[in-house]
Amino acid sequence: DQQVKQNSPSLSVQEGRISILNCDYTNSMFDYFLWYKKYPAEGPTFLISISSIKDKNEDGRFTVFLNKSAKHLSLHIVPSQPGDSAVYFCASRGGGADGLTFGKGTHLIIQP
Amino acid sequence: DTGVSQNPRHKITKRGQNVTFRCDPISEHNRLYWYRQTLGQGPEFLTYFQNEAQLEKSRLLSDRFSAERPKGSFSTLEIQRTEQGDSAMYLCASSYVTTGSGELFFGEGSRLTVL
Repeated sequence: DQQVKQNSPSLSVQEGRISILNCDYTNSMFDYFLWYKKYPAEGPTFLISISSIKDKNEDGRFTVFLNKSAKHLSLHIVPSQPGDSAVYFCASRGGGADGLTFGKGTHLIIQP
Repeated sequence: DTGVSQNPRHKITKRGQNVTFRCDPISEHNRLYWYRQTLGQGPEFLTYFQNEAQLEKSRLLSDRFSAERPKGSFSTLEIQRTEQGDSAMYLCASSYVTTGSGELFFGEGSRLTVL
């Protein structure tokens, strides 16, 4: 009963192009959605978040879009840079649980 | 460095042994979380504390697992009679209440290998 789903285990994008990472959720009670980035042998680091009452949040090269009716969110990175190569986790807060519920992650590879 | 600190970073043990991990959160944070991450999976919630009180435990936390945060500062996670299925990365995170997005600050993790 995975409540947060990232259906693409990996994504390869050319440097300078747009990277789009997708996430679907099932619990309509989630009130915040977050994206974390993880490099090998390090803990996840917070990237950007969005409240369930908004449909877009932007921070520099990173923009998160939320479509509540579709229970879908996406993270856009533009332009993509080599240092963006990492595993990206979608996470949600609320839904009756404390803490965050994570997806399985998408491994983003930025090709030179 | 004022981030979340975990040790040891890597622990190799034989099946049946007990292991203990320690987490030192960011000092002003009153919430502390333990997560477990296995290969190809995202972090899975195990338990969390607000100050010294353990407020929630996942069903993933079998009776062989125990966590404490005796003075509301550092926390320990002990696994008794380890099994090979316990091999994973154990992540600690901290936060200050649940204002805003509920962002958690993670440590670098403690990797457990059970032989």
